[in-house]
Amino acid sequence: DTGVSQDPRHKITKRGQNVTFRCDPISEHNRLYWYRQTLGQGPEFLTYFQNEAQLEKSRLLSDRFSAERPKGSFSTLEIQRTEQGDSAMYLCASSLGDRGHEQYFGPGTRLTVT
Amino acid sequence: AQSVTQLGSHVSVSEGALVLLRCNYSSSVPPYLFWYVQYPNQGLQLLLKYTTGATLVKGINGFEAEFKKSETSFHLTKPSAHMSDAAEYFCAVNTGGFKTIFGAGTRLFVKA
Repeated sequence: DTGVSQDPRHKITKRGQNVTFRCDPISEHNRLYWYRQTLGQGPEFLTYFQNEAQLEKSRLLSDRFSAERPKGSFSTLEIQRTEQGDSAMYLCASSLGDRGHEQYFGPGTRLTVT
Repeated sequence: AQSVTQLGSHVSVSEGALVLLRCNYSSSVPPYLFWYVQYPNQGLQLLLKYTTGATLVKGINGFEAEFKKSETSFHLTKPSAHMSDAAEYFCAVNTGGFKTIFGAGTRLFVKA
């Protein structure tokens, strides 16, 4: 099964360090999304790619966050100078199209900033 | 602006009892509506979706939901709960383009 995969599954880092997460979407999906999920909340949209183009970024995504999707395949999400408030589950999803198309989610990367 | 409200952050039912998870949305255009389920330490999995057509939608694992435009609701039901249904459930709405808005979730507990 070639579902959405994310790496690493867990990351513990000290405040001020940089971290990078990877997402591998389903191969034929050209849409890719990053979400952040905190305890007791639903996923909050962070950013969206159509192929390699980053078309939308949420205001939640401060300048310390950057995402890329080179060649329209896998994507990376980098957080620079991590803060304790960045602790959350970071979810990646992919889809074949917009609106009526379901999103397929990866298992997430749980980030803990100490 | 679109939004989703899930009534009840926690719902507890006995095994074999009816499951009812409530979802209300706000949208100025016809919405596409989704229910996802999340098991611990896993991503979200689609249970069912409403796009157009029949307002009663059947999903996986015996779940179904009914789109009621007049009530702006999309409640999720299952006639008989199983222990394996214990999880977090998220209602979501899409009113155009790529952005899907998720509710805060309802955690379902199933008692033996």
